Amino acid sequence: DTAVSQTPKYLVTQMGNDKSIKCEQNLGHDTMYWYKQDSKKFLKIMFSYNNKELIINETVPNRFSPKSPDKAHLNLHINSLELGDSAVYFCASSVHGVDTEAFFGQGTRLTVV
Amino acid sequence: GENVEQHPSTLSVQEGDSAVIKCTYSDSASNYFPWYKQELGKGPQLIIDIRSNVGEKKDQRIAVTLNKTAKHFSLHITETQPEDSAVYFCAASKKGTYKYIFGTGTRLKVLA
Repeated sequence: DTAVSQTPKYLVTQMGNDKSIKCEQNLGHDTMYWYKQDSKKFLKIMFSYNNKELIINETVPNRFSPKSPDKAHLNLHINSLELGDSAVYFCASSVHGVDTEAFFGQGTRLTVV
Repeated sequence: GENVEQHPSTLSVQEGDSAVIKCTYSDSASNYFPWYKQELGKGPQLIIDIRSNVGEKKDQRIAVTLNKTAKHFSLHITETQPEDSAVYFCAASKKGTYKYIFGTGTRLKVLA
C-alpha cells in the first residue's frame, strides 16, 4: 500500500493552461505539505496544511491554489501555467507538524511548453 | 530567514570508503534534523534523523552527529556500496513552524 500517492506522475501542458495535481495519504497524518523541486534539485516549501487548515503559504503566486477536502487529501491547482512552473512537485505528510519524519510521494514532473 | 547550507554538492568515493556530508543551520531554535535519500525518479526517503537533545545517532552503516553550539550536523556513511549512490538532503525544522528547511543536496557517487 502506497503511503503518499500523487497523480499524475508526469504532466506536460502548454503555457496558459490550468492543471491539477492530486495527493492522498493513508497514514492518518494530520499535516500535509507541497514542496517544489527545481532543476537544481532544491526542495522549497510551498504550502503546509494541518487538519485541513492552511498554515503556511510560502510566498507562492496566487495562481497556485491548494485545497484540502479532508485530512487525507491535499490537491494543488495551478492556473495560467508559465514556463517557470516546470519542476517536480512533491506532496508529503507527517504525523503532526515537523517534529517527526515527513513521508514523501513519488513526485509529479510538470513540464510547461 | 531560516537557512540550511549543505556541502559538498557532489561527492565521489570508492566502494568501501566512507562518505561525509556536512550541514549548517541558521536558526538556533531548530530541534529536529532529518536526512533524506532521493533516488532517481523517486521522492525523498528518510534514512536517519536526530533531535536536538542527542549528540549522535547510529544505524548500521549510517550515523549522524549534531553540534548544537556550532549549529552543524553531519551524515557519515561507512563501507559505501554502489546502491548508496543517490542525492542526499539534510533538513532542519522547529516545532510549531510546519516546515522543513532543506539543504541544497549532495550527489553521492560510489564507484565500484
